Amino acid sequence: TQLLEQSPQFLSIQEGENLTVYCNSSSVFSSLQWYRQEPGEGPVLLVTVVTGGEVKKLKRLTFQFGDARKDSSLHITAAQPGDTGLYLCAVGPGGSYIPTFGRGTSLIVHP
Amino acid sequence: ETGVTQTPRHLVMGMTNKKSLKCEQHLGHNAMYWYKQSAKKPLELMFVYSLEERVENNSVPSRFSPECPNSSHLFLHLHTLQPEDSALYLCASSQGGSADTQYFGPGTRLTVL
Repeated sequence: TQLLEQSPQFLSIQEGENLTVYCNSSSVFSSLQWYRQEPGEGPVLLVTVVTGGEVKKLKRLTFQFGDARKDSSLHITAAQPGDTGLYLCAVGPGGSYIPTFGRGTSLIVHP
Repeated sequence: ETGVTQTPRHLVMGMTNKKSLKCEQHLGHNAMYWYKQSAKKPLELMFVYSLEERVENNSVPSRFSPECPNSSHLFLHLHTLQPEDSALYLCASSQGGSADTQYFGPGTRLTVL
């Protein structure tokens, strides 16, 4: 059983469409991170959310942390081909030094 | 640039070779990590070092041997690998303690023939 469940696993859309991907868990977290990974590269941190109900915006990307701090969503408005990549959510490592990653959502945006 | 560098970026080796992957972080962090990422599989945590002491070894085969000589450098020594070990090997660092954010290097794409 995965601690972090990401959905959908794959998403293929046309440029200009909107999309939302999800990261869910039954556990409560003090914070949660979203990363984007392009093919052949390491994940790059997009945002960290720490407060229940928190909403953060990064240009066309909107991140929300659930009120109970068990889940998070990432919404992309007017997707562009440059948004193509693997979107990973993660928690920790914190004091345990053991981070946990979801399996990721693989997004392809077609021109 | 995330402040974490990895060399080499690409490596092809035979099953009888010995090679090493290098990671260096310029962020002043005190924890470093090795991950393996295979095609269509999630990130697999291999090793964690905090203050140069290994704190986690996720049941990794002994043909992978990590070394952390100081808080800025991390190595992964490879010997007698198998073709199924072909993957992207990622290094990351974090501040450790209560800090939650990891910073990743670009990875080494390893192919074992």
